[in-house]
Amino acid sequence: DGGITQSPKYLFRKEGQNVTLSCEQNLNHDAMYWYRQDPGQGLRLIYYSQIVNDFQKGDIAEGYSVSREKKESFPLTVTSAQKNPTAFYLCASSIRQEPVVEQFFGPGTRLTVL
Amino acid sequence: AQKITQTQPGMFVQEKEAVTLDCTYDTSDPSYGLFWYKQPSSGEMIFLIYQGSYDQQNATEGRYSLNFQKARKSANLVISASQLGDSAMYFCAMRAFSGGYNKLIFGAGTRLAVHP
Repeated sequence: DGGITQSPKYLFRKEGQNVTLSCEQNLNHDAMYWYRQDPGQGLRLIYYSQIVNDFQKGDIAEGYSVSREKKESFPLTVTSAQKNPTAFYLCASSIRQEPVVEQFFGPGTRLTVL
Repeated sequence: AQKITQTQPGMFVQEKEAVTLDCTYDTSDPSYGLFWYKQPSSGEMIFLIYQGSYDQQNATEGRYSLNFQKARKSANLVISASQLGDSAMYFCAMRAFSGGYNKLIFGAGTRLAVHP
């Protein structure tokens, strides 16, 4: 079945450590996105990528980094520079980077900093 | 400023009844799109329905319909014949062009509880 997978589902990190969240899609979508969700709030865009080897900062990119070496994969690294990384992270993809096109979401990764 | 407002933090509805979840938006763009997503406790965001700003008719998808009132800048979601499985968070979102790119702006969400 086509879809988006994220791993791990739960992630615990010590302060000062970098961690990488995985996002893979087999929908043959060009565009991929990373969102952050805090309790009681909607989603905020961290980074997005329209095509391989290209990505752009979203609204809250500070303390995060991404890569897009393959069409199917868009990993997100939460660096030690991110001041408050505990949150729920959602990856999404769409056929192309036009929000009128439906975005499909993965199941999410819940990151907790100890 | 482009913004989505959902004023109902939580809603309760009896099974089989209809419920309306409110959403108002603010944008100066003549062309925009409005989305509703459902987020169950598992966390995944599920697309429900889409309304384009130039669409003449209100969007419908099965038990979901979008009550689009352009002059009032509202895009309320109506769920008919509620089911226990409808219990979830519901997010209204708007397509916006901001900061040099297209993006989705989300509201804070409404938690819906369906009672038997």
